[in-house]
Amino acid sequence: DAGVIQSPRHEVTEMGQEVTLRCKPISGHNSLFWYRQTMMRGLELLIYFNNNVPIDDSGMPEDRFSAKMPNASFSTLKIQPSEPRDSAVYFCASRPSGRASADTQYFGPGTRLTVL
Amino acid sequence: AQSVAQPEDQVNVAEGNPLTVKCTYSVSGNPYLFWYVQYPNRGLQFLLKYITGDNLVKGSYGFEAEFNKSQTSFHLKKPSALVSDSALYFCAVRVTGFQKLVFGTGTRLLVSP
Repeated sequence: DAGVIQSPRHEVTEMGQEVTLRCKPISGHNSLFWYRQTMMRGLELLIYFNNNVPIDDSGMPEDRFSAKMPNASFSTLKIQPSEPRDSAVYFCASRPSGRASADTQYFGPGTRLTVL
Repeated sequence: AQSVAQPEDQVNVAEGNPLTVKCTYSVSGNPYLFWYVQYPNRGLQFLLKYITGDNLVKGSYGFEAEFNKSQTSFHLKKPSALVSDSALYFCAVRVTGFQKLVFGTGTRLLVSP
């Protein structure tokens, strides 16, 4: 299995522009998580989906952030408009279904976002 | 609310020496505890987890962790450190009733040759 795939790996944009981050979870996994990592705030959970349905978006910082999961194999995290303080590494993770997995999450390589 | 604390920002150890990375937890009910490792410019990788059973859990790359209910701790250990173990280590706990994990702030492990 290729693991969790994220694109792009690096994104540099200017303040005010729209940014879309993409994630393909591991096939057969039914939960998907979006995280943000910064030096100041560490690793923060933004939102997670179960069976393509958003379950908890309490970590989404502002209305500028939105996430979708139109099907089991694809999710997007969109920032519109972007601001310099959004600069961070964004991780996607997926989790298999079933009790045996016991909530083990598998992380993608991340997208490093720089907003100038 | 469930939480984990990693009291050390950084741990330094010489290669070949045993290492310990500390984690304490606060949960309601039985804890599901995890350790993840992050190498530079990479995502987090699962190392091991405690759900139930033996208090000593063995994981990847020779790491193990000891669950101690009375001390509410879940310290990560390795008998003999390698330079390649240098990385950022995260402890995490599952939030009861939800599928999400709460991560600690991370501990940077530096193993010197």
